[in-house]
Amino acid sequence: SQKIEQNSEALNIQEGKTATLTCNYTNYSPAYLQWYRQDPGRGPVFLLLIRENEKEKRKERLKVTFDTTLKQSLFHITASQPADSATYLCALWDSGSARQLTFGSGTQLTVLP
Amino acid sequence: GAGVSQSPSNKVTEKGKDVELRCDPISGHTALYWYRQSLGQGLEFLIYFQGNSAPDKSGLPSDRFSAERTGGSVSTLTIQRTQQEDSAVYLCASSLNQPGSDEQFFGPGTRLTVL
Repeated sequence: SQKIEQNSEALNIQEGKTATLTCNYTNYSPAYLQWYRQDPGRGPVFLLLIRENEKEKRKERLKVTFDTTLKQSLFHITASQPADSATYLCALWDSGSARQLTFGSGTQLTVLP
Repeated sequence: GAGVSQSPSNKVTEKGKDVELRCDPISGHTALYWYRQSLGQGLEFLIYFQGNSAPDKSGLPSDRFSAERTGGSVSTLTIQRTQQEDSAVYLCASSLNQPGSDEQFFGPGTRLTVL
């Protein structure tokens, strides 16, 4: 069956450190993979998109990698700040199956001051 | 510019009643999506519109759920004979064109509580 798994429901790190979040998928061949941030009581906000033929994408303090062999995407936040505390969702689009973006259940990140 | 708006922001209803949730997407966005998010859970896809047509209704959980989009803009999600398990936050999103390669812009959601 198809599955998207994001690492541990909650991740706590110290301010200034790099946060690394994992998104693993099974039985998908995603053409695109997206990362979103969600704050409590709000809708998700888009952060980054990476295509299947791209290995890495960067935006300011954010970096996403995409390994189609390992079927995994890593999301890094460098020099983390308490304001980065939120739930981070990965989502993928597989042209071979359904036409919608499928979301993982998210990882709740807390950056401790 | 204006983002995606949803109304109402909160809805409390009694079991068995019908509810209508509204979504106003960003102007010019051809794709519109409805998702459901239960407490502490990820987003569950419900339905996707391209223009006024719905190429993918696969996520609608039962025939009590229906959605329409008119004029390529506003969409309404209708839940008939609501059940307690329908309680969740219903999120609407829109994107310029494709569901995969375009970012989705989400509204703030409608929190539905079925008593």
